[in-house]
Parts: sequence; C-alpha cells; structure tokens
Amino acid sequence: DVKVTQSSRYLVKRTGEKVFLECVQDMDHENMFWYRQDPGLGLRLIYFSYDVKMKEKGDIPEGYSVSREKKERFSLILESASTNQTSMYLCASSFQGFQTYEQYFGPGTRLTVT
Amino acid sequence: AQSVTQLDSQVPVFEEAPVELRCNYSSSVSVYLFWYVQYPNQGLQLLLKYLSGSTLVESINGFEAEFNKSQTSFHLRKPSVHISDTAEYFCAVVRMDSSYKLIFGSGTRLLVRP
Repeated sequence: DVKVTQSSRYLVKRTGEKVFLECVQDMDHENMFWYRQDPGLGLRLIYFSYDVKMKEKGDIPEGYSVSREKKERFSLILESASTNQTSMYLCASSFQGFQTYEQYFGPGTRLTVT
Repeated sequence: AQSVTQLDSQVPVFEEAPVELRCNYSSSVSVYLFWYVQYPNQGLQLLLKYLSGSTLVESINGFEAEFNKSQTSFHLRKPSVHISDTAEYFCAVVRMDSSYKLIFGSGTRLLVRP
C-alpha cells in the first residue's frame, strides 16, 4: 500500500515563527503536492514538485516556500507564520504521466497560528 | 478558467436510503473527472474516475457516477448508504490539455444517520 506520512497531525505556532511541515512517501512517486484545505473552499494547490529540486507554484503560493532535496521527501515552509495560515495542510504524491491524477494523500497537519 | 461546483455542503440521509451528491463543472475544453472521499481524520482517497469510454463508472463500495457532457455534470450516487459512508466527498476535474492540476470542488459532507 502507498503510504504518505506527514510529520505532525496537530501543530500550534506563534505569529512570526518559521514553520516546517514535512511529508514523506514510500512509493517512489515522482510528483509531490502540498494543498491547503479550508471549509467551504475545498483543496487549493500551494506548490507542486515533479522531480528532486524542481517545483512549480500552485494557486496560492504566497507566504510559502518548498524544498525537495530527496525524491521521497517534500517540505512546506512558512517563513513567517501568520494567523491567516491557520488551516489543514495536506500532502499528496503520484506517478507522472497519465497517473498524475491519481494522487495519494497523507492524513493532514492541522496548523494553528496564534 | 475551469471550476467545479458542489452545491450541497452537507447531505443528511438515513441508513439504507439512496443518495445523490451533485457536481457540476465548467471548462472550455474536455476534462477528466474524479470523486475523492475523505473519511474522518484521514487524508483523501480516490473513489472513482472518468477518463474515457463508458460514461457510467463504479467504485468497489457501491458508489457510481455518470458523466453527462451536455449538462456538464458528474453526480455521485449510491442506492443504499451505510453508516460507514459518512465522510466528505470532493469532486475534481483536470483539463485534458493540463499536465497535472486537479481542481477540487468545495466538498459535500455526507452524514448517514441510523
């Protein structure tokens, strides 16, 4: 079974702190994604990576950065956390090509910024 | 631009009753269509997909969805729901000329009551 794990289920940080969210997948997927999930808005793509050290901005990249140094690991970084970044963050991975659309999701990290 | 509309934010239904979760999309080009399900405290998982061929697609747990091109819809149905079907359901589309980007609807929470 594909497994996508996220480093924390719940995280509480203070405004202005630097926050790292980690995601690891064990299926040798080329693609990895970071989404933000908010009530009534569904999932919105923050960043996408299709290879090590490669990344593309999604729909809402402002205030976020990412790092992919190894194929299995994709990190989301909040350089200076703000209260409007309080949300559920979901990581996903997939193969490339036609299988890009079949994404496997982690359980999510609920981040609260106070 | 493409968009996905799930008009019902919550659908309460009694166990063993039929249910329909509505999904409409707008796109200027042909699309692929998906339903993802998120059980409580879990990440999303793919429920079913329409890529080509028969417009009626089925999942292993009794759900089905029908692609209706003229009405730009991809409604999800189940003739008899179980308590265990309680979850949030997300409709998603991707443009056939897009490399990777899933566009998600805002989600419908299915609440099955005994």
